[in-house]
Amino acid sequence: SQTIHQWPATLVQPVGSPLSLECTVEGTSNPNLYWYRQAAGRGLQLLFYSVGIGQISSEVPQNLSASRPQDRQFILSSKKLLLSDSGFYLCAWSSLSSGSAWETQYFGPGTRLLVL
Amino acid sequence: QKEVEQNSGPLSVPEGAIASLNCTYSDRGSQSFFWYRQYSGKSPELIMFIYSNGDKEDGRFTAQLNKASQYVSLLIRDSQPSDSATYLCAVSRGTSYGKLTFGQGTILTVHP
Repeated sequence: SQTIHQWPATLVQPVGSPLSLECTVEGTSNPNLYWYRQAAGRGLQLLFYSVGIGQISSEVPQNLSASRPQDRQFILSSKKLLLSDSGFYLCAWSSLSSGSAWETQYFGPGTRLLVL
Repeated sequence: QKEVEQNSGPLSVPEGAIASLNCTYSDRGSQSFFWYRQYSGKSPELIMFIYSNGDKEDGRFTAQLNKASQYVSLLIRDSQPSDSATYLCAVSRGTSYGKLTFGQGTILTVHP
């Protein structure tokens, strides 16, 4: 079965510090990968998606970036965090071989980021 | 107009009642429709998806789709306090990258 991991689970960072959040998926090959942010009491905002190694598409302009160095690894980064970067960061995957509707996205446990 | 709209609620129903959650979407090219449940502080989890007009049942949950009206709903029968959560509607155009557009979510509270 497929499993998705995210770490860290929680993070408190000062404004201006760098950020690196990691997401890995097990049990599937060549998944589509997604990064979302959910601000408190708000909906899911798609930040980046990737259909393969090194292929990153950005949905919104911001001071965040994403990378996919390996098939099942997705990293979200920032060089300098802003207060507005606080939120719940979710990684998700989808795959033709998921056994479900292929666009179905499965979410990781998330990283709660607080920028002070 | 938002691409996917949901009534934010909160929707409050008594235990054992039917909860009805609604979602409208603006893109007529939408192909697939998903319902997720998100407990407070947790990540969304899939309840069910629907492709075709009509009803699709899975246990206590029934998804209803009407593409002509651009409307999708989720019915929860015999609602339980454990169903209290935020319910997210998501829509896909069926592109190769599988992008989903989410609504803001409806908060459901089931009271004993």
